[in-house]
Amino acid sequence: DARVTQTPRHKVTEMGQEVTMRCQPILGHNTVFWYRQTMMQGLELLAYFRNRAPLDDSGMPKDRFSAEMPDATLATLKIQPSEPRDSAVYFCASGLDPSGAGGSYEQYFGPGTRLTVT
Amino acid sequence: KQEVTQIPAALSVPEGENLVLNCSFTDSAIYNLQWFRQDPGKGLTSLLLIQSSQREQTSGRLNASLDKSSGRSTLYIAASQPGDSATYLCAVSMNYGGSQGNLIFGKGTKLSVKP
Repeated sequence: DARVTQTPRHKVTEMGQEVTMRCQPILGHNTVFWYRQTMMQGLELLAYFRNRAPLDDSGMPKDRFSAEMPDATLATLKIQPSEPRDSAVYFCASGLDPSGAGGSYEQYFGPGTRLTVT
Repeated sequence: KQEVTQIPAALSVPEGENLVLNCSFTDSAIYNLQWFRQDPGKGLTSLLLIQSSQREQTSGRLNASLDKSSGRSTLYIAASQPGDSATYLCAVSMNYGGSQGNLIFGKGTKLSVKP
């Protein structure tokens, strides 16, 4: 049963520390998304990759956040330095865009990483 | 800018009732609309996906409708059960711009079904 996996599931860190979250998309999927969920804002897009190329990271604070796909089986989201306002649940999702150029397809979500920055 | 609104924010019903959750969106330029379920502390489970050209989709006791021109979708749950208790999220996939394929989410409806 193919699933999106995320590690770690929980992370508690102190302000100023670096945090790296990892995502393994479903094998064969060519799109990967990072979303952040908070009580106040709900779910918001942070970054979006298609065929490993970044398409949209406008939702990400550029000075401290970075997202990469070193290969097709791994996506990373890094926060350096972390701040208390980064406390949230970070979800990774993947999907298969059949045209490879944008279209309608379903996104499958991982279980999330719950980050607490003290 | 696309905005997705879900009403009500919370709903409590007795077991066995049929119920309707509402979702509205401001921009009709969408690829599709998805309904998700989220249990406390868990990830999102996709329930139904309606293509922009479709009017409705059904899965078991769930039926979702889409009226793209008016920017509305409803999720109908028949014969509700306590196991249906969860937060239900509506999301639309944009079909233009740099965010093609990106999902824009509503804030969700928290459903509680009482035994």
